[in-house]
Amino acid sequence: NAGVTQTPKFRVLKTGQSMTLLCAQDMNHEYMYWYRQDPGMGLRLIHYSVGEGTTAKGEVPDGYNVSRLKKQNFLLGLESAAPSQTSVYFCASSYQGNSPLHFGNGTRLTVT
Amino acid sequence: EDQVTQSPEALRLQEGESSSLNCSYTVSGLRGLFWYRQDPGKGPEFLFTLYSAGEEKEKERLKATLTKKESFLHITAPKPEDSATYLCAVRVYGGSQGNLIFGKGTKLSVKP
Repeated sequence: NAGVTQTPKFRVLKTGQSMTLLCAQDMNHEYMYWYRQDPGMGLRLIHYSVGEGTTAKGEVPDGYNVSRLKKQNFLLGLESAAPSQTSVYFCASSYQGNSPLHFGNGTRLTVT
Repeated sequence: EDQVTQSPEALRLQEGESSSLNCSYTVSGLRGLFWYRQDPGKGPEFLFTLYSAGEEKEKERLKATLTKKESFLHITAPKPEDSATYLCAVRVYGGSQGNLIFGKGTKLSVKP
């Protein structure tokens, strides 16, 4: 049972490049989330989804887009990367709205 | 504004030296309080959920308690393998569905 799997684990981008981060979960969870973690800031919610085909904005959504075409996958896109998007990105999922979140091991992104 | 504050930021203990980590919160309406452990380079790992004041949960050397204003994570006779960053998070009524608001964490180091 893999849980939440994130790819890639590391990535370096130049300013203005685009990329997509992939999150896959095998727990049949309804809810999925994308967070970013920065030193001294804690984890902050970027976007989330309460089910297949749905997405919603979190606390820091600017510069990011998401899609949830299949229940098990949640994609995070950066259309034009900026140095301020250098961070560690975590995907999480939960069974329902008041269940614990289960996290992947993160993607470390550096934008130069 | 909903806020979560953890103290201390860092804690160094000798093996066997018991202590407590604090998580104080100011929220409009608490749906649940969550404790996570995070090891370097990994995603947060779920430990406990507490839903109401007076509730307690235990797991091995860890015990979490909850009052109306704060939660404590008590560590009894810690071992070096307990070294990690411990994160506290709250889920509130009326917030982004399922979202957790995280504190900045307490970094625990246990020396043999």
